[in-house]
This record gives sequence, structure tokens and C-alpha cells, in this order.
Amino acid sequence: KAGVTQTPRYLIKTRGQQVTLSCSPISGHRSVSWYQQTPGQGLQFLFEYFSETQRNKGNFPGRFSGRQFSNSRSEMNVSTLELGDSALYLCASTETGTGSPLHFGNGTRLTVT
Amino acid sequence: AQTVTQSQPEMSVQEAETVTLSCTYDTSENNYYLFWYKQPPSRQMILVIRQEAYKQQNATENRFSVNFQKAAKSFSLKISDSQLGDTAMYFCAFMEGTYKYIFGTGTRLKVLA
Repeated sequence: KAGVTQTPRYLIKTRGQQVTLSCSPISGHRSVSWYQQTPGQGLQFLFEYFSETQRNKGNFPGRFSGRQFSNSRSEMNVSTLELGDSALYLCASTETGTGSPLHFGNGTRLTVT
Repeated sequence: AQTVTQSQPEMSVQEAETVTLSCTYDTSENNYYLFWYKQPPSRQMILVIRQEAYKQQNATENRFSVNFQKAAKSFSLKISDSQLGDTAMYFCAFMEGTYKYIFGTGTRLKVLA
């Protein structure tokens, strides 16, 4: 089976712009979650989707949003980018999201200048 | 709120030696899951080991084993016969049914030749 695919791998944006990140989960996995990774902060949970429904959301401002499509692919959008949004964004998929191990993509490295 | 603490930001170990990475967590739940993930410089997060809280027996995967102390809320990872390929960031993670995995800030492990 193909692993979790995230595109693009690198992005450079300017403050105030918006960005969309894409994630294709492992075939058959219906749960997709997103994490922000920054040095010293570890991984911070953004949100989780299952069958196109957001089941949980982390403590991030409303500028961070996501969605999941019927084929389980997911997108994450960040509007009005700030310098502090520079991070590695990781997508992970699981079969059900309950106790199943997360399978991660390689991440998208976002740099905001 | 659930928290995961990794108190060792960096560690080093000689090749072929044994090293233990510590992790403590805080929860009021009785049923939950614990994980150790490895993130090598290639940044692909990989599951190392998984533990279900209701199982008393410590999980083992080849050279990797855990010491799960439920009452103490401790979940340490022991790596035996360390290899150069074990050099990576190691993250402890906790999950308890809300589809949200909580990660520690990580321990950077360097295996020395």
C-alpha cells in the first residue's frame, strides 16, 4: 500500500497570504489528522476528520481550517499567514482514529517571510 | 487536561549500549493508549511501539521495549544494543478516545560510534 502523501513538501509564503496543504491517506484509512511541529513545542494537534466530519479540534485560531473529501483526502488551509505559522505540518491517517497507530506523511515545511 | 512530558531534551549513547528515554503523562482516564514514535532526520515519523493501558504486560518490539507503570503514569522506552540508525527524535504520545493524540516535546537521541 502507498503511504500517506503530503503535497507540497516545501512552501514559502509571505505574511498575509493564505496557503492550502494537501494530504492523501493510506488506502482504507478514514481518519486523517493534522499536526503542527515546531522546535521545542513538539507536535501540536490541529484537527481530526473521519468520513468528512471534524471530530476534534485543537487550540488554534480560526485562521486554521480543514476539510475532508469523500475519498478521505484532506486539505488544510491557513489564512492571513503570520511569521509564527512557520512550521512543519504533518498529516497522519489511521483506520478508525481510536487507539490505532498514526501513519504519518513526510510533512510540508511552511516558511512565512 | 491531558499532558505528556519528556524531561530529557537530548541524550546520547554509545553504539551497542542500552539507553532509556523517559515519559510521563497525566490523565484521569482509565482506558487509553501510549505510543513511542521515532523521527529520523528524513522527518518521516515512524511508530516504534504501542501500549494499551489495560494490558499489564509491557510491549516489546525487537530491541525496543517499554516500562509501563500505570499508577505512576510513566511510560519509558528502552533501546537495547543501540545502532547508529537509532539516531533520531523520539516522541512519546498519548491517546484516549477523543481522536486526539497528545505528544511530548521529544528527546533527541544520538548514537555514537
